[in-house]
Amino acid sequence: DQQVKQNSPSLSVQEGRISILNCDYTNSMFDYFLWYKKYPAEGPTFLISISSIKDKNEDGRFTVFLNKSAKHLSLHIVPSQPGDSAVYFCAASYTGGFKTIFGAGTRLFVKA
Amino acid sequence: NAGVMQNPRHLVRRRGQEARLRCSPMKGHSHVYWYRQLPEEGLKFMVYLQKENIIDESGMPKERFSAEFPKEGPSILRIQQVVRGDSAAYFCASSRGRQDNEQFFGPGTRLTVL
Repeated sequence: DQQVKQNSPSLSVQEGRISILNCDYTNSMFDYFLWYKKYPAEGPTFLISISSIKDKNEDGRFTVFLNKSAKHLSLHIVPSQPGDSAVYFCAASYTGGFKTIFGAGTRLFVKA
Repeated sequence: NAGVMQNPRHLVRRRGQEARLRCSPMKGHSHVYWYRQLPEEGLKFMVYLQKENIIDESGMPKERFSAEFPKEGPSILRIQQVVRGDSAAYFCASSRGRQDNEQFFGPGTRLTVL
């Protein structure tokens, strides 16, 4: 039962353009969402998060949008840089729960 | 400012042997989580521990797998009688507080079962 879904296994974007990575979830109890970035042979690193009381959170070039009614969130990277090329994992958890549930990841390629 | 440390980074075992994976959390972190990543898949939660306590092990197979986080020393994920299907990358993460806090991940241990 995949509670967090990232339906695009990969995405290719030109340097300087916007990258939009999408994530859908099914469990309405989730109230905290995170994005992690992972380079090969390294562990995931935290990128940005959003609480369900917000619909947008911005940190530099990274913005996460949350649409609770659609159970959908997205990560926007503007402008995209070649160093952003990595696998991005969407994750979700809920207050009182112990697990963070990860999506399968989207591999982003930013072309110079 | 050491991050989460995992060792070994690579581990090769033959079928039937035991695998022991170690994780030292970040300084000041008392919550440890283990995840498994199979090839071309996402991270699957296995177990959540606090010092000397297993809080949630619902993601861990009932047989052959065990985890501990003793009062002193690293957290250990132990896999007995390994099978080829256990080949995966095993990541440890730590946090200062409960699951809704940011987790810091280690570099992972890649287990290969021959």
